[in-house]
Order: sequence, then structure tokens, then C-alpha cells
Amino acid sequence: GIQVEQSPPDLILQEGANSTLRCNFSDSVNNLQWFHQNPWGQLINLFYIPSGTKQNGRLSATTVATERYSLLYISSSQTTDSGVYFCAVSNTGKLIFGQGTTLQVKP
Amino acid sequence: DTAVSQTPKYLVTQMGNDKSIKCEQNLGHDTMYWYKQDSKKFLKIMFSYNNKELIINETVPNRFSPKSPDKAHLNLHINSLELGDSAVYFCASSQDTRSEQYFGPGTRLTVT
Repeated sequence: GIQVEQSPPDLILQEGANSTLRCNFSDSVNNLQWFHQNPWGQLINLFYIPSGTKQNGRLSATTVATERYSLLYISSSQTTDSGVYFCAVSNTGKLIFGQGTTLQVKP
Repeated sequence: DTAVSQTPKYLVTQMGNDKSIKCEQNLGHDTMYWYKQDSKKFLKIMFSYNNKELIINETVPNRFSPKSPDKAHLNLHINSLELGDSAVYFCASSQDTRSEQYFGPGTRLTVT
């Protein structure tokens, strides 16, 4: 099955800093999603991005499908950005999740 | 106007009991899923239904039985609960197997 690796596993930022999270995957996919799991456990959809670039406010994502990686950019981070960021991919309908990046934004 | 809802939100029960978790989506999607998140936050698919038909069944013990009475509902019944079943169970739905999946709020199951 597809392997998904996220880096870094942990990240501590000062409020206002920028960051880049990476997701590598081992096979071609027709679905790639980024999620934010907040401290209350909710999984919030950030991007559905099997290819290309998207932006939503301070967040943007790029997937280079031919090279099998995706990047999530967080600019001007806020304390509310804290939580776990998951990348998940699929080519069969079942999402395969990475192990996540735990982000802590300090005030 | 909750898109994917689950009940209950929390479930505490003893080993050996049987319990059910219910999931409903009001998005008009054809495909629904159950995922399990363990204590290390690792998320893994358990089952998927498309138009009430089982299409994905990962290596899940027979004690877990999903049931889809209609396209909008996918319930999970667990028999003879074990300590290792303690986890957060997420329901999700999507228009089809390639589309964006939307997750419910999760059900935290604790088996004592």
C-alpha cells in the first residue's frame, strides 16, 4: 500500500512566524487532503489538493503529483493554529494518513 | 446544519459489552467511512460503504460490524468489547471514492 511520511514530526513556533510542512507519498494518488486536528480532537478540512496550488487566507498548499510530495505553508502563525496537521492520500478510496506534524505556536 | 454527525460523543463501557456508534450525513454523499484513531493519534480506515454496499473492509476483527440502513447513515456495532478497542472512532463521507472526505466530530470510546 501507499506509504505517507510527514515532516517535521514536531514544530514549535513563535506567534507570527511562518512554517512549511511536508508530505511525501510513495505512489500516484487521486486524492490528497490536509487536515488540522485541533486540541478538541476535531478534524478540520484544510485543503483537497491532489495536484496544483491552493490558498485559503494564511494557509496555502502545493502538491507536485509527479514528484509525489505536498507542502502546507502557514504564514503569520497564531496560537489557534496549534494542533496536529495530517496529510492523507488515496488512490483506492481509503485515505492513508501520515503520522502528523504536531505544531505548537507560542504567544 | 451539521454535515457529518456522530452519537454518542463519549462512550465508557466495560469489557465484554456490546455497543453501537451512529453516524449520519446530510451532504447527500454516496460514500461513507469509519476510521479509528489510536492513542498515538494514528488514523486508519476500517470500513467504507458506497450506496449502502460494503466496498472496503480492512483487517478488522469480526467483532466490528458496520451497517448502512440507507445512504445517509452508517452505524458501527462492536461486540464483546476489549481494552484495545479504546480509541476515537471517526465517521466520514464523500460524494464518491475519489472526492474530498468530510469527517464527523469523533466518538471517544473507553473500555474499562
